[in-house]
Amino acid sequence: QKEVEQDPGPLSVPEGAIVSLNCTYSNSAFQYFMWYRQYSRKGPELLMYTYSSGNKEDGRFTAQVDKSSKYISLFIRDSQPSDSATYLCAMRKGGNNRLAFGKGNQVVVIP
Amino acid sequence: EAQVTQNPRYLITVTGKKLTVTCSQNMNHEYMSWYRQDPGLGLRQIYYSMNVEVTDKGDVPEGYKVSRKEKRNFPLILESPSPNQTSLYFCASSPTQTSWWGDTQYFGPGTRLTVL
Repeated sequence: QKEVEQDPGPLSVPEGAIVSLNCTYSNSAFQYFMWYRQYSRKGPELLMYTYSSGNKEDGRFTAQVDKSSKYISLFIRDSQPSDSATYLCAMRKGGNNRLAFGKGNQVVVIP
Repeated sequence: EAQVTQNPRYLITVTGKKLTVTCSQNMNHEYMSWYRQDPGLGLRQIYYSMNVEVTDKGDVPEGYKVSRKEKRNFPLILESPSPNQTSLYFCASSPTQTSWWGDTQYFGPGTRLTVL
């Protein structure tokens, strides 16, 4: 079983829709959970960062972590064409810089 | 401007011809890392460095070498490249090696390598 599972299937949504992305993981030692956004021909950039279970909001973005189910989610409200990118989940243990990544979800927001 | 830079951004080479991809960061970060990104496989760590002169293998180190002689630089060396090393490579840095809190990794722009 892979450490981090993320369904890489491309996702196309109309502008203004809610985008829902998720990852599951197998290692209960993971404590820090991140979502990176990667535009075409660019390096990943940190979008959301959460510690332990719960929700975190930042503008149109909400990150959720459910440690009991080993499941994390990213929601994008009122999606815009500029949100078209690949979204990668990542996570790590405490005191350890090694990041375990999901495969990434390509999201296309259609005007 | 705080950033991670990589050079070259694009490289086409032939099997067996040694090459080096440079990585430099200007944020005084201790931790640096190299990843490769392949379709269907995602980002996989090749090597990482906790500080100067301290390096260790990641998940896919075969065929690669690294060195960390200065804090800001972390070059990736392919002594004898092969076609299966054709990939998109990213360097990343992080502000601390053992922070218990919210450090994260800053990625460079990527180097697209093709080995013929």
